[in-house]
Amino acid sequence: LAKTTQPISMDSYEGQEVNITCSHNNIATNDYITWYQQFPSQGPRFIIQGYKTKVTNEVASLFIPADRKSSTLSLPRVSLSDTAVYYCLVGAFSGSARQLTFGSGTQLTVLP
Amino acid sequence: NAGVTQTPKFQVLKTGQSMTLQCAQDMNHNSMYWYRQDPGMGLRLIYYSASEGTTDKGEVPNGYNVSRLNKREFSLRLESAAPSQTSVYFCASSETPLTDTQYFGPGTRLTVL
Repeated sequence: LAKTTQPISMDSYEGQEVNITCSHNNIATNDYITWYQQFPSQGPRFIIQGYKTKVTNEVASLFIPADRKSSTLSLPRVSLSDTAVYYCLVGAFSGSARQLTFGSGTQLTVLP
Repeated sequence: NAGVTQTPKFQVLKTGQSMTLQCAQDMNHNSMYWYRQDPGMGLRLIYYSASEGTTDKGEVPNGYNVSRLNKREFSLRLESAAPSQTSVYFCASSETPLTDTQYFGPGTRLTVL
């Protein structure tokens, strides 16, 4: 089972770029890397997903090095509303077994 | 579209009582999941259903049972609640179980006294 490790917390200021790294040394060949955002008292919300290299969408970029043992979520020009917990999820469906591992999450606090 | 809905939103049980948490999705997704989230922790998978008619254990299945009633509905049952099951329970769904984006419900906050 691929375990994930993330920083517990990060602070940033409005308008800055924020990079959050997730370590997943035991990632398997079939595993995808997905990042979620969670606000207090809400369920997680999908941000971005990738398998290798770089993925970009309208809210974030995801960088995955060739060995895939880590990934970095990049949030450009954060605002106060980006204050949330960010989770890295590594998992795949292999035959009849579903293995999913959420990281412990990174509390991002954006300061004015 | 309501997305993923869960009932109830809050529940207090006494040790030994039973209850069923309900989850429904209106996105025609094939796969559904139940997670628990303890204070200050990440989510842990309890059970999942890759497709209608199938269910499988996740990381922490002990003390729980599930039923995939139909494609829309996936329920989680606690037969004999214990204080260690005090948690927030999230249901999620996805179109496929592999390269899937999961859509989460609002959660059920359960306290077992």
